[in-house]
Amino acid sequence: EVQLVESGGGLVQPGRSLKLSCVASGFTFSNYGMNWIRQAPGKGLEWVAYISSGSSYIYYAETVKGRFTISRDNAKNTLYLQMTSLRSEDTALYYCARLEPRYWYFDFWGPGTMVTVSS
Amino acid sequence: DIQMTQSPASLSASLEEIVTITCQASQDIGNWLAWYQQKPGKSPQLLIYGATSLADGVPSRFSGSRSGTQYSLKISRLQVEDIGIYYCQQASSAPWTFGGGTKLELK
Repeated sequence: EVQLVESGGGLVQPGRSLKLSCVASGFTFSNYGMNWIRQAPGKGLEWVAYISSGSSYIYYAETVKGRFTISRDNAKNTLYLQMTSLRSEDTALYYCARLEPRYWYFDFWGPGTMVTVSS
Repeated sequence: DIQMTQSPASLSASLEEIVTITCQASQDIGNWLAWYQQKPGKSPQLLIYGATSLADGVPSRFSGSRSGTQYSLKISRLQVEDIGIYYCQQASSAPWTFGGGTKLELK
């Protein structure tokens, strides 16, 4: 059974940093591109970042480019999101999601970890 | 970036009614479109991919169609368990973008 479990969320002050993790199980993690997708309270879905299976290709949404860094450790089956210079508008539930490689949809999602940016 | 305009934003329908939700892409995305359902307090779940293909385990009352750059999700006979928020997503190119969502409620 595919499982994705995020952690690392919490309350952080504006301008500070936070690092999220997503541990994967139930599939060969190193074969799949992975993503972070976020959802602000009561709002819709916003794709944040993508990393290819071997970390060769990395893409970011314009809203986080230069502040967030996606990375992965295939030996640990873990995806990361390093977030710096956090803003109030980064407050959201952050999901880790697997990218299906043929049709480029998000086929499995974790339950999410909540990030609240507030003073 | 490709914009996905989803309508309606909210919809109230009766049990067994036919429900249709649409998404308009700002440019040609071919069949690179997926639909998701999100129930309250849960993560989104895939319903349709490739514009018309039903994901594993999804009831056959759900179907997807395409006409040019307009995409539709149809629920043929609304059930209680179909209540939630529905999103489309273009899978043509990064940045992958979602429609604004359609909140489906029971009348």
